Amino acid sequence: GQQVMQIPQYQHVQEGEDFTTYCNSSTTLSNIQWYKQRPGGHPVFLIQLVKSGEVKKQKRLTFQFGEAKKNSSLHITATQTTDVGTYFCAALTNTGNQFYFGTGTSLTVIP
Amino acid sequence: DTGVSQDPRHKITKRGQNVTFRCDPISEHNRLYWYRQTLGQGPEFLTYFQNEAQLEKSRLLSDRFSAERPKGSFSTLEIQRTEQGDSAMYLCASSPSTPTYEQYFGPGTRLTVT
Repeated sequence: GQQVMQIPQYQHVQEGEDFTTYCNSSTTLSNIQWYKQRPGGHPVFLIQLVKSGEVKKQKRLTFQFGEAKKNSSLHITATQTTDVGTYFCAALTNTGNQFYFGTGTSLTVIP
Repeated sequence: DTGVSQDPRHKITKRGQNVTFRCDPISEHNRLYWYRQTLGQGPEFLTYFQNEAQLEKSRLLSDRFSAERPKGSFSTLEIQRTEQGDSAMYLCASSPSTPTYEQYFGPGTRLTVT
């Protein structure tokens, strides 16, 4: 079945350092979404990527969709304590309406 | 507050009992999803509705699980003969009909089966 692998599982950074999480799929994707979930909270939508090679930026966050539409990344520049949480990718294939969530990357920012 | 709401927020039940959860999506959203999330994992897809039609259901989903969205508005998820392995957070999300498919999640219902 469809699997979405996300690495790393955990990341501890000093405040001000950069952070990147990667999402990889075994099949070509229709689109990919990124969500942030704070401890004790629910996932909150960040962005959707649809086009091959697409790059989108939101302030300190940069999202990228691979050329083959099988992988994606989220990069945070100069992390802040407000960035703490788990970041999930959610992939949609060309063949259905089911979103496959990655296992998430838990980010801890040390002040 | 016009966000997605879920009821109850917490449910403790004994093994073998039936439980039903409710989700009220954002009113103009015609897409509705149910997910299950356990600690340290990403949300696991359960089922998807477009309006009142259930268009997709996870193949991993036991026959003990059923969902409805009778009038294309609120939805219910029922679990029959609960098992301890059903203990999890059950999340509902709704999405607009535009191509963005962005999902707005509710706060979830935490189920504990004793």
